Amino acid sequence: GESVGLHLPTLSVQEGDNSIINCAYSNSASDYFIWYKQESGKGPQFIIDIRSNMDKRQGQRVTVLLNKTVKHLSLQIAATQPGDSAVYFCAEKSPQAGTALIFGKGTTLSVSS
Amino acid sequence: GAVVSQHPSWVICKSGTSVKIECRSLDFQATTMFWYRQFPKQSLMLMATSNEGSKATYEQGVEKDKFLINHASLTLSTLTVTSAHPEDSSFYICSAKPRLAGDDEQYFGPGTRLTVT
Repeated sequence: GESVGLHLPTLSVQEGDNSIINCAYSNSASDYFIWYKQESGKGPQFIIDIRSNMDKRQGQRVTVLLNKTVKHLSLQIAATQPGDSAVYFCAEKSPQAGTALIFGKGTTLSVSS
Repeated sequence: GAVVSQHPSWVICKSGTSVKIECRSLDFQATTMFWYRQFPKQSLMLMATSNEGSKATYEQGVEKDKFLINHASLTLSTLTVTSAHPEDSSFYICSAKPRLAGDDEQYFGPGTRLTVT
């Protein structure tokens, strides 16, 4: 599978590979994190979330890992499919910001078959 | 459930005119709605937080007199771009927080593509 140690704007993988997308968040007080998928010309689509009292959460084909020590979040997609091609954003929420989400830089995932 | 719509989905207007974008929560009441702006190949930037029945809270650097926000009901918020200029061309996205949900829930609309010529 392909992995990205630091945030990179693009990631290209083959169908069936595992993908890892990374995100560095800014606020150590943030207590809630979400990964979104955005297809061209559409709004963000919720993928998976995690609270700061956890370090791992699994969904269907997706896993989110949270490392609060280095303020790092990652999204792992198993058996990546062409339909997974999109831009992926992490977002964080901190108590000081109320209920507003702060979005990180996106990563464009391209899956070739 | 939890569907948010935006209207129009795309709009082209001439420089100097104003354009209104609607954000509706279709199957829930939203006490809070958020407006984001997204330039091509960039992330979503929060513009303002809109609470029903009160004035919107704008993020630093966002001109409140240029981007008028009205949240007159629990299902509708509007963003009016006044005296639009080509640099206002962007993808505008709203999200809505359900009235009876926890603080972490919010749902995004499909976005509105604004092109100012």
